[in-house]
Amino acid sequence: NAGVTQTPKFQVLKTGQSMTLQCAQDMNHNSMYWYRQDPGMGLRLIYYSASEGTTDKGEVPNGYNVSRLNKREFSLRLESAAPSQTSVYFCASSEATGGNTIYFGEGSWLTVV
Amino acid sequence: AQRVTQPEKLLSVFKGAPVELKCNYSYSGSPELFWYVQYSRQRLQLLLRHISRESIKGFTADLNKGETSFHLKKPFAQEEDSAMYYCAPDDYKLSFGAGTTVTVRA
Repeated sequence: NAGVTQTPKFQVLKTGQSMTLQCAQDMNHNSMYWYRQDPGMGLRLIYYSASEGTTDKGEVPNGYNVSRLNKREFSLRLESAAPSQTSVYFCASSEATGGNTIYFGEGSWLTVV
Repeated sequence: AQRVTQPEKLLSVFKGAPVELKCNYSYSGSPELFWYVQYSRQRLQLLLRHISRESIKGFTADLNKGETSFHLKKPFAQEEDSAMYYCAPDDYKLSFGAGTTVTVRA
């Protein structure tokens, strides 16, 4: 029972490099999310996709892009990584954007040097 | 802006002592709120939700509309309660709270 799967688990990037974090869920959820977790800042929403075919900015979208490839998959792209993007990234999904339990991936540790 | 706030970043209590984690919200109406927990080396997971009014692992949370709060409480903390706790709004288009790291000491 995989739930939400995200890859890679660990990544080190040089400043200016690009990369894509992949996320897939097998629960047939409509809504998917990308968060970043930083000490003292909590869990901040980067982007979300309320349903297949839609994406919207969250609290901290600058420097990121997303793609809702299909109902299962929601990827996060860093076009030109910066040290400020060093963080733990979490993908999550839920049936809808309100009132439902949200299920999280295991997290991706990204370091930008 | 609608949001939830957790004023305490760190909370340290002794085993067997009561523990209370504060959460305040800034929007009107009848919100549904949640508490999520992240134990060491585990995924973030739902602890409890306001609407269910149930007690999970001895924790309870009451929505106080007058104080706009949804504090999480447990009368007798256990070492396995050491974790990061997040208060979350019912609208997932908003960010979670900043989180409170709880350490329960023997």
